[in-house]
Amino acid sequence: QKEVEQNSGPLSVPEGAIASLNCTYSDRVSQSFFWYRQYSGKSPELIMSIYSNGDKEDGRFTAQLNKASQYVSLLIRDSQPSDSATYLCAVDTGRRALTFGSGTRLQVQP
Amino acid sequence: GAVVSQHPSRVICKSGTSVKIECRSLDFQATTMFWYRQFPKQSLMLMATSNEGSKATYEQGVEKDKFLINHASLTLSTLTVTSAHPEDSSFYICSAREPGQGVHEQYFGPGTRLTVT
Repeated sequence: QKEVEQNSGPLSVPEGAIASLNCTYSDRVSQSFFWYRQYSGKSPELIMSIYSNGDKEDGRFTAQLNKASQYVSLLIRDSQPSDSATYLCAVDTGRRALTFGSGTRLQVQP
Repeated sequence: GAVVSQHPSRVICKSGTSVKIECRSLDFQATTMFWYRQFPKQSLMLMATSNEGSKATYEQGVEKDKFLINHASLTLSTLTVTSAHPEDSSFYICSAREPGQGVHEQYFGPGTRLTVT
């Protein structure tokens, strides 16, 4: 079992819809969780971090964390074509580097 | 967030030559930096952890004699790809985490695209 799992996609949503991206992790002691966005040919960019159970909102983005279920998600409201990218879930497992999932490719159709 | 720079952004070299990539933390001191490699349409792969003033820690399967890492100061780490081969062509990305107490977010440099001909 991978430490951080994501569906590779592509997840295709129409413009204006809500995109829901999911991630599960295996290490119960993980405390910090991050979402990165990576455009094709570019390096990852940090967009959200979450540390407590529940929801955290930042503009059109909402991160959701459920430590009991070992599940973290990212919701993108009013999806735009510019949101089309690969979204990486990252977990702090106590190592010096974050542990990354393989990413979910999101396609927002105009 | 913190800023990490990389140089060069693109490099083309001939097979058998060596290439050096620099990674700098611009607004914080990074005792630890990370080097990743990413092949087209594949996920990030952590190659090594660069430690200021000491030897780098390499991930399993990464040749330490081929990928030389030097972290001589708190703001600079370098990755040298020695005797490069076409299969070393990839996107190399460095990253750093802000030091201090609490949660440490990890920031990436813009990456270096290496093409070995």
